[in-house]
Amino acid sequence: QVRLQESGPGLVKPSGTLSLTCSVSGGSVASSFWWTWVRQSPGKGLEWIGDVSHSGETNYVSALKSRLTISVDDSKNQFSLNLRSVTAADTAVYYCAALLGKGLDAWGQGTTVIVS
Amino acid sequence: DVQMTQSPSTLSASVGDRVTISCRASQDISGWLAWYQQKPGKAPNLLIYRASSLETGVPSRFSGSGSGTEFTLTISSLQPDDFATYYCQQYDSAPYGFGQGTKVDIK
Repeated sequence: QVRLQESGPGLVKPSGTLSLTCSVSGGSVASSFWWTWVRQSPGKGLEWIGDVSHSGETNYVSALKSRLTISVDDSKNQFSLNLRSVTAADTAVYYCAALLGKGLDAWGQGTTVIVS
Repeated sequence: DVQMTQSPSTLSASVGDRVTISCRASQDISGWLAWYQQKPGKAPNLLIYRASSLETGVPSRFSGSGSGTEFTLTISSLQPDDFATYYCQQYDSAPYGFGQGTKVDIK
């Protein structure tokens, strides 16, 4: 059973970079999952942000593509999100998750990031 | 990009009711559709994958159906623990967007 845990600063200044890490246990980032980031703005629905494969292939949502980098680190068994030039609109709960063939069947607990 | 449209956005129901939530994709997603339940302050929980397969541990009162672009989540007899928000998600082609969500609340 893959378990995921997000970590990173809870407060980021406008125009700064939001950096989060998802630590993976009970499995390896080198496996066949797609390692995914999802966010949820206050009172809003779920927004798929992007994902990365074990080989480093990425997919990003169009609206964030110019500011977003998602990467995987086999040596630390974790994957990361970097979102540049943030604004208040990037304030959200950020979840990491794992996609195999069943949809997102493993999720972290979520971490709140406030841009202010 | 594939657009996902859920309806209704809010649904008021009573314990024991049969509840149906719809999800429409803007193009054929070949059955690569998942349903999630989310409760306030918690991460989403996978209920259904591949449009109609029940995730391990999910009560059998939940079922999914559909193909092509039209999909449905059904709760056969609503229980107190089922009052939550439900989302569909396509994972046929990236970006793997979600529907807007359906909040099921108490009538």
